Parts: sequence; C-alpha cells; structure tokens
Amino acid sequence: KNEVEQSPQNLTAQEGEFITINCSYSVGISALHWLQQHPGGGIVSLFMLSSGKKKHGRLIATINIQEKHSSLHITASHPRDSAVYICAVRLTNTDKLIFGTGTRLQVFP
Amino acid sequence: DAGITQSPRHKVTETGTPVTLRCHQTENHRYMYWYRQDPGHGLRLIHYSYGVKDTDKGEVSDGYSVSRSKTEDFLLTLESATSSQTSVYFCAISQGRQDPYEQYFGPGTRLTVT
Repeated sequence: KNEVEQSPQNLTAQEGEFITINCSYSVGISALHWLQQHPGGGIVSLFMLSSGKKKHGRLIATINIQEKHSSLHITASHPRDSAVYICAVRLTNTDKLIFGTGTRLQVFP
Repeated sequence: DAGITQSPRHKVTETGTPVTLRCHQTENHRYMYWYRQDPGHGLRLIHYSYGVKDTDKGEVSDGYSVSRSKTEDFLLTLESATSSQTSVYFCAISQGRQDPYEQYFGPGTRLTVT
C-alpha cells in the first residue's frame, strides 16, 4: 500500500464546476504539499500546509491532521486548470518528500 | 520562478553507456534533490544533497551516483545506463528546515535508454 494515496486518479469536469481532489496518507508528517504539473512537464508548488486551510485565488487546500487527509478544491474551474495535481508529504524530522501518483484533471469548455 | 536549469533536456542513449545529468541553480539554496518520474509511480527520490560534498541516498539510488562540488551544481550520473532507467528526471532545490520550506523544481530531463 502506498504511503500517499490520491483520489480520483482521473477527473473530467465542465468549465465552472467545483473540483475536489483528495489525498490520504499513512505516515507521520510535518507538512503536506500540493503541486501542479502542466502537460509541458513543469512542476509548480501550489500550497504547503501543516494545519487548517489555505486559499490562493480559486484554489483552496485543507488538511485534517487527525484523519491524515487533505483536499484540494478548485472553484469555478477553467480549462487552464487542466493539469496533474500531486500531493506530497514531508515526513516528520526529515527533509524528504513522499509523493502521490497524481490526479489528472481535464476541464472542458 | 526559482532559477533552476537542467541539462540536457532530452537525451537518447544506448544501454551500457555512461550518462551525466546536470542541475544548476542560481538561488544559493542549500538542499538539492534528484527525482525520477515514471507512469504509475509518484516522484521518487534518487539522491539528495544537504551541502557541498554532502550527499545521501534516496529510495531508488541503485545504479546512480551524484556529486556536488559547488553549491550551484548537482550532477547525477548513470555509470552504465539500463533500459529501466528510461524516465523523466527532475531536480529540485530547497532551503531545508526554514520557513518557508518548499521544493522548487527544474524543468526536467527526458532520458531514453535504448
């Protein structure tokens, strides 16, 4: 069993829909990261959080430490949001990240 | 964007040949990482460095070696490339145990071993 599980693996949506991507983990962590990888391959960090909730524009990330679960929400989705979204956790007392396999999102006009 | 470049960006090589990938940063970040990305797997750590001449193994280090003689450069070497090392390789940098702690990724190198 992977230490970081994402769901769903693939997601399609119509423009304007509310999107939720989930991440569950089974290890002790000090922080959780959400990353975005566009079709060209570049990887960009969206959020790093260790508790509660963060918001950047139409993106919202939440984490529940007790339940070992995080969600990434996209409000009013747009075709330019089409990408692979990757969850990664930083293990307690290390500098190493463990990555989920990603969720491929396609938003159609 | 963090100043991270990788070279080459694409490479095709034959089984058994040595290959060196270079990661160069202009951010003076202490930590540097090499990952590989394969279908069905998350990014997996090959090796990382926490300073000049200080390196350590990641979870998939077999068949790879690294060197860091300068803060700005982190080299990944495949001594004798195998087809199983066909992958996309990403370099990343970070400050380490400081706030904000984030990893910034290079553009990736697509390596094909025939």
